[in-house]
Amino acid sequence: GEDVEQSLFLSVREGDSSVINCTYTDSSSTYLYWYKQEPGAGLQLLTYIFSNMDMKQDQRLTVLLNKKDKHLSLRIADTQTGDSAIYFCAENLSGGYQKVTFGTGTKLQVIP
Amino acid sequence: ETGVTQSPTHLIKTRGQQVTLRCSSQSGHNTVSWYQQALGQGPQFIFQYYREEENGRGNFPPRFSGLQFPNYSSELNVNALELDDSALYLCASSRQTANTEAFFGQGTRLTVV
Repeated sequence: GEDVEQSLFLSVREGDSSVINCTYTDSSSTYLYWYKQEPGAGLQLLTYIFSNMDMKQDQRLTVLLNKKDKHLSLRIADTQTGDSAIYFCAENLSGGYQKVTFGTGTKLQVIP
Repeated sequence: ETGVTQSPTHLIKTRGQQVTLRCSSQSGHNTVSWYQQALGQGPQFIFQYYREEENGRGNFPPRFSGLQFPNYSSELNVNALELDDSALYLCASSRQTANTEAFFGQGTRLTVV
């Protein structure tokens, strides 16, 4: 089945690292994504990882994938107030068409 | 390279009416998908269009329909609007139908009263 779960809220102090966690259920996922959504805005693709990778680093962002546990995390180093937003974990199932299944989102609040 | 653009940005309709939302895909992308994002929720897949045909559909009734044009732009049509159709409608484009990155537009905020 398809289900992506995330914690609803995370609060961190500016300059600290943030870690947002996600679990998914479908082992046939080929891509796993992290999207950022600011209030009233669309979705911004932050980063993604192929299902055959364990880790991906992109500047302040580090994605870790544990396929055995179906667990995905996003670490934001040196979190800034501009990082305050809702972060969605999403999986792209294999198959004939692109269907991205999203979690409910984690609201990240950065305290100055 | 232009990104995904959607129009209009906001729309208010009355229950029972029909609405058309538009999406221009990113340059070089031939596949368009539509998502509905209710308040406080993650986006839900409505359907995907490729080569001007529906290529996959989520759990949405037939009153949600779409079109794709030769230039890969797309429309989402919703008939017989219900109050629960109030949501942010997001369009995503990609280079191929599966296993690739999807880039989203800013969305159209639809309010049904």
